[in-house]
Amino acid sequence: DGGITQSPKYLFRKEGQNVTLSCEQNLNHDAMYWYRQDPGQGLRLIYYSQIVNDFQKGDIAEGYSVSREKKESFPLTVTSAQKNPTAFYLCASSRPSGGVLDGELFFGEGSRLTVL
Amino acid sequence: AQKVTQAQTEISVVEKEDVTLDCVYETRDTTYYLFWYKQPPSGELVFLIRRNSFDEQNEISGRYSWNFQKSTSSFNFTITASQVVDSAVYFCALRGAQGGSEKLVFGKGTKLTVNP
Repeated sequence: DGGITQSPKYLFRKEGQNVTLSCEQNLNHDAMYWYRQDPGQGLRLIYYSQIVNDFQKGDIAEGYSVSREKKESFPLTVTSAQKNPTAFYLCASSRPSGGVLDGELFFGEGSRLTVL
Repeated sequence: AQKVTQAQTEISVVEKEDVTLDCVYETRDTTYYLFWYKQPPSGELVFLIRRNSFDEQNEISGRYSWNFQKSTSSFNFTITASQVVDSAVYFCALRGAQGGSEKLVFGKGTKLTVNP
């Protein structure tokens, strides 16, 4: 089945450690996104990529890094510079940006990161 | 700036009751798109509907219906005869005319609990 796979589902990290969250999609979508969700909050965009080898900062990129070496993969690294990393992280993909179907995002099941 | 307000943080109903989730938006664009997403306990957001600003017709899909009123900048979502499986967090979102899905602005969500 086509979809987005995020791993791990749960992750614990000690302060000062970097951690990488995996996101893989087999929908053949060009665009991929990382969102952060905090309790009682909406989704906030961390990074997005519209094409391989290119990505842009979203609204809250500080303390995060990404790469887009393959169309299918868009890993997110939460670095030690991120002061409050405990959150639920969601990866999404969509058809090429600028199309009439923009806004229809396909999401993974998320990764819950807890900093101990 | 775009803004989406979901004033209802949590709603609890008994099965078979009708329930309406409110969404009020702000935008200066004349062309814009409104969305509803459902986030069940499994975590992934699921796209429900997209509506463009030029189409004010209400839409019905099974037990779901949407009421779009430009005069009040609202895009409310009604579930008729609610079921336990409707329990989820529901997000309203807005995208303006410029850019793609990276420009989606989400509300903070309404948590709906349907009790048996």
